[in-house]
Amino acid sequence: KAGVTQTPRYLIKTRGQQVTLSCSPISGHRSVSWYQQTPGQGLQFLFEYFSETQRNKGNFPGRFSGRQFSNSRSEMNVSTLELGDSALYLCASSASSGPSYEQYFGPGTRLTVT
Amino acid sequence: QKEVEQNSGPLSVPEGAIASLNCTYSDRGSQSFFWYRQYSGKSPELIMFIYSNGDKEDGRFTAQLNKASQYVSLLIRDSQPSDSATYLCAVSPFNQAGTALIFGKGTTLSVSS
Repeated sequence: KAGVTQTPRYLIKTRGQQVTLSCSPISGHRSVSWYQQTPGQGLQFLFEYFSETQRNKGNFPGRFSGRQFSNSRSEMNVSTLELGDSALYLCASSASSGPSYEQYFGPGTRLTVT
Repeated sequence: QKEVEQNSGPLSVPEGAIASLNCTYSDRGSQSFFWYRQYSGKSPELIMFIYSNGDKEDGRFTAQLNKASQYVSLLIRDSQPSDSATYLCAVSPFNQAGTALIFGKGTTLSVSS
């Protein structure tokens, strides 16, 4: 079974621009979560989507948003990019939504904001 | 503020030894506990999960959970150089409907041959 895929893998943007990242979960998985990983803060939860609805949201500004499509694919968007948004953005899929479901990560999108 | 704490390391062990990685969490009602391994430049890979007090074994890996002490550990037996990586502890908080995890900052393990 194919794993989680994320596109693009690398991205360089300028401050003030916006960016859209894409995630395709493992086939049959219905929940997609997004995380930001930086050397200083580690892995931090952004939000989770399940059945096209945002299920949970972490402590990030409104510039970070996402959505999920009927085929469970998900996108996240960051508007008005700041230098501090430079990070590895990871998508994780799970079979369903709930604390007992394991999450499997994709390879990530490395975003650099200059 | 719900927190997950790990010793950053590095934890250095010789090949063939047992590596013991520890994690404490602040939310007493936390429900599920996960260990991920992350090689440099790669994404986290799930290696173990545990929900109930006690031990859970999977090959060379054993996860141990003590909810009373708010403590979860990962033992790696017969450590190999290929086990050298950062190990992330993740916890599912209490009373949360979804799948969000709180991660520790990881312990770097170095296995020398």
